[in-house]
Amino acid sequence: AQSVSQHNHHVILSEAASLELGCNYSYGGTVNLFWYVQYPGQHLQLLLKYFSGDPLVKGIKGFEAEFIKSKFSFNLRKPSVQWSDTAEYFCAVLFSGGYNKLIFGAGTRLAVHP
Amino acid sequence: NAGVMQNPRHLVRRRGQEARLRCSPMKGHSHVYWYRQLPEEGLKFMVYLQKENIIDESGMPKERFSAEFPKEGPSILRIQQVVRGDSAAYFCASSPGTRGNEQFFGPGTRLTVL
Repeated sequence: AQSVSQHNHHVILSEAASLELGCNYSYGGTVNLFWYVQYPGQHLQLLLKYFSGDPLVKGIKGFEAEFIKSKFSFNLRKPSVQWSDTAEYFCAVLFSGGYNKLIFGAGTRLAVHP
Repeated sequence: NAGVMQNPRHLVRRRGQEARLRCSPMKGHSHVYWYRQLPEEGLKFMVYLQKENIIDESGMPKERFSAEFPKEGPSILRIQQVVRGDSAAYFCASSPGTRGNEQFFGPGTRLTVL
């Protein structure tokens, strides 16, 4: 079955620390990959996406992600987090043959302390 | 350009009542998706609709749940005879086209069943 795994459910960091959130998916075919963020009380917003080309993708707010096909991974990174990055982060995958439905990971709650 | 609109934002129903959730896609978007987020879980795909057509309803429970996207007006997700297990956040997303297009999410409707 097609699935998406996010390894860390809760992450606590201090400001200026580096961030890496793991995301793995189960399927070996063609995929489109997304990271969404949900700030407290707000709706999901797209951070970045990968469809093809350079596997290192730059997103908004200083986030980036690297697609490693051999590891079925799409980890999210930020070199230096800020208090305003406190949010829940969701990895999502669009699998080939699945119409246009996104398969989401369970999410990672990030808390950044000043 | 207004984003995806959902109403109501909060809905309280007693067991056995009906819940109707509405979603107005972004202007120019003809594809609508419904997702459900249970507490402490990621978003789960429910149904994908285009105007007047259900394209993929593989994530919809077989009973009590239905969705429509009429030619005019918002998309409606209808839950009949609600039970406590239906309590969740229901998110609607829209996109301008098919595979690979970014899905823009609404703020969600939080359904509480008493």
